[in-house]
Amino acid sequence: EVQLVESGGGLVKPGGSLRLSCAASGFTFSSYSMNWVRQAPGKGLEWVSSISSSSSYIYYADSVKGRFTISRDNAKNSLYLQMNSLRAEDTAVYYCARDIGVGSAFDYWGQGTLVTVSS
Amino acid sequence: QSVLTQPPSVSAAPGQKVTISCSGSSSNIGNNYVSWYQQLPGTAPKLLIYENNKRPSGIPDRFSGSKSGTSATLGITGLQTGDEADYYCGTWDSSLSDVVFGGGTKLTVL
Repeated sequence: EVQLVESGGGLVKPGGSLRLSCAASGFTFSSYSMNWVRQAPGKGLEWVSSISSSSSYIYYADSVKGRFTISRDNAKNSLYLQMNSLRAEDTAVYYCARDIGVGSAFDYWGQGTLVTVSS
Repeated sequence: QSVLTQPPSVSAAPGQKVTISCSGSSSNIGNNYVSWYQQLPGTAPKLLIYENNKRPSGIPDRFSGSKSGTSATLGITGLQTGDEADYYCGTWDSSLSDVVFGGGTKLTVL
């Protein structure tokens, strides 16, 4: 069974940093591109970043470029999101999601981890 | 403002059919595959449709997808109260080099 479990969320002050993790199991993690998608309270989905299976290709939404860094450790079946210079508008539930491999569709999602940026 | 435009809400009676539209442009829907997601209250999104009209295993054929030009449509037949959820379309935007989502449509089964 495919499982994605996020962790690392919490309350952080504006300007602070946080590192999210996503532990993957039930599939060959190293064969899939992975993504982070966030959802602000009461709002829609917003794609944040993606990373290819071998980390060769990395993309970021303009809203996080230069502040967030996506990475992965295929030996540990884990995906990460380092978030720096956090702002109030980064407050959201952050989901990790597996890329199905075609057409930027995400076939498995974690349960999400809440990041709250507030003083 | 979302790059893809969806109606904020749709409603229909149990057993009826509903369609949800998703409008974009040549840089996204017009030249890329569209996917659709269902998000039940308090849960993570779930993939319903990928590559415009394909269903992952386990998704009933009550759910269908289509695309024409720069618009896509999700259809749901035989509506059930359990279908009440938010529905999102998504695709790649070649100009932005981003994955983009619609703003979401809240389905109410009356």
